[in-house]
Order: sequence, then structure tokens, then C-alpha cells
Amino acid sequence: SQTIHQWPATLVQPVGSPLSLECTVEGTSNPNLYWYRQAAGRGLQLLFYSVGIGQISSEVPQNLSASRPQDRQFILSSKKLLLSDSGFYLCAWLRPAGFSMGYTFGSGTRLTVV
Amino acid sequence: QQQVKQSPQSLIVQKGGISIINCAYENTAFDYFPWYQQFPGKGPALLIAIRPDVSEKKEGRFTISFNKSAKQFSLHIMDSQPGDSATYFCAASMRGDDKIIFGKGTRLHILP
Repeated sequence: SQTIHQWPATLVQPVGSPLSLECTVEGTSNPNLYWYRQAAGRGLQLLFYSVGIGQISSEVPQNLSASRPQDRQFILSSKKLLLSDSGFYLCAWLRPAGFSMGYTFGSGTRLTVV
Repeated sequence: QQQVKQSPQSLIVQKGGISIINCAYENTAFDYFPWYQQFPGKGPALLIAIRPDVSEKKEGRFTISFNKSAKQFSLHIMDSQPGDSATYFCAASMRGDDKIIFGKGTRLHILP
């Protein structure tokens, strides 16, 4: 069965520090992968998505970047965190087309920038 | 035209009552309409989904009603329970697109 792993679960980082969040998928190949951010009590904001190794689409210009070094690995990074980068970060993969098509989300990373 | 508008933003329902969340869309190319349920501190999980060739889909206490002409769809939760308290997102996508468009979410609270 397919599973998605995301870590760490929580992170407290000072302003100006770097960030690296990792997401991996098991049990599937060539998945579409996504990074979302959810501010407290708010909706889901798509940050980046990737349809293959080295292919990154950015939805919102910001302080973050994404990379896909391997087929089932998706990394969200920042060189210098801002207070506004705080939020709940979710990785997701898109199941193939068909009636059960849809996202499977990871368990999320709660990032607090202090 | 890519938006999915969801209402209400928050909803309080008595235990045993019916919870209703509504969504509307503009893009008639959308052909897949899922609902996601998110508990605090967790990622959203697919709850139920419908395609526009049917007007209703039921899974247990959860029903999607779909009105293609009005470009609206809604989630009904029958016999609402405190365990249903969560944030619900409606969404839409179209064949060949790599993304799912989400509504802004509804925070549902079921009173015990």
C-alpha cells in the first residue's frame, strides 16, 4: 500500500535560520507531489508541486523553495526563515486518475518561527 | 474561474442534527468533486467524492448532493456526532490537471 511520510512533526526555529522539511512516498512510482501551507484556522495554500524529478512549479513567490532530488522525495527549504513562515506544512501526493483520484496528505509539520 | 467558494466558514450543530456545508464553482470543466475532513493537528483525509454524472452519492451518514446546472454541491452529515467535529474542505479538479482546487474550509462543531 502507498504511504506518505513527513518529518519532523514539530519544529521551532529562530528568525533567519534555514529550514529543510522532507517528504517521502512509498509504494508508488513517479507520483505528483505537493507542498501546502495552512495558517492557523485558515485554508490550504498550495506552495509548490512537482510532476517528476527536478521538475518544480511554484504557485506563490515567497521565501521558500522546493526540490525533488529523487522520484519519491520532495523537500521544502528556506535559507532564512521569516516570522510569516510559521504555519502547518503539509505534503501530499496525487493518486492516479480514476474515481478514487485525490490527494493523500502527510501528517504535517507544525513550524513556529520565533 | 478556478475558485471554489465554500460556506459557511463555521458551523455549530446539535448532536443528532444535520450538518450542511455548501460549495459553488464556476469552471464547468471541473469533473471531480471531493470532500476532505481534517482533525486538529492532522492532515486532511479524503471523505467522499462525486463526479457530475450523478446527483447524489451516499456513504454512511455522509451524502454529497450535486446540482450541475447551478454549479453547486453540498455535503450533508446526518445524525451528526461530536466525533464529526473537524474542518471540512470541498474541492474540485478537472481531467488532465495536476492540481485540486480547495475551498477555504468550514469548521464544524457538534455540541454533545
